[in-house]
Amino acid sequence: DAGVTQSPTHLIKTRGQQVTLRCSPKSGHDTVSWYQQALGQGPQFIFQYYEEEERQRGNFPDRFSGHQFPNYSSELNVNALLLGDSALYLCASSPGTATYEQYFGPGTRLTVT
Amino acid sequence: GQQLNQSPQSMFIQEGEDVSMNCTSSSIFNTWLWYKQDPGEGPVLLIALYKAGELTSNGRLTAQFGITRKDSFLNISASIPSDVGIYFCAGPPTGNQFYFGTGTSLTVIP
Repeated sequence: DAGVTQSPTHLIKTRGQQVTLRCSPKSGHDTVSWYQQALGQGPQFIFQYYEEEERQRGNFPDRFSGHQFPNYSSELNVNALLLGDSALYLCASSPGTATYEQYFGPGTRLTVT
Repeated sequence: GQQLNQSPQSMFIQEGEDVSMNCTSSSIFNTWLWYKQDPGEGPVLLIALYKAGELTSNGRLTAQFGITRKDSFLNISASIPSDVGIYFCAGPPTGNQFYFGTGTSLTVIP
């Protein structure tokens, strides 16, 4: 049973560029959440997707957007990258929005130069 | 936004010792979760708590949901080298948005 998978593992982008990160949830899970984790800090909630819609959003600008596909996989898009966007981006899945027991993927390390 | 403060920030202990750490918030939580994160990996769920006063164990780990609903505690008994990592508390004070704590870094000296 595959857990949460994310791609790519690492990514280097230049300031001002756009990036797309991908996530496949754990089998049987239909809810995907995205987090940003800066070095030395705890993960910060970006948004959550369920039934292909954004259900909750954290305190992140509109440069951060997402999408969920019919197979429950998800993408995180970040436009106009800033140096401060350098972080580990984590995807977490859960079986519905009623449970808070989320399972995390290994993350995508994004470096903006 | 919501701040979850964890203490201590870091711990250095001898193998075999017991460990205690806690997490406090300014808001009431209805659910508390504890995660462990190894370097370069995503957090792994250790224990979930759903009721004030609840005490739940997972092997050598025991966590408690504080009766004020503004704090939670995690204990690790008889620590071993693989317990090394960063421990985070987390939970949703309102709705489904998750907040993570500041983390407690644990080092176990063989």
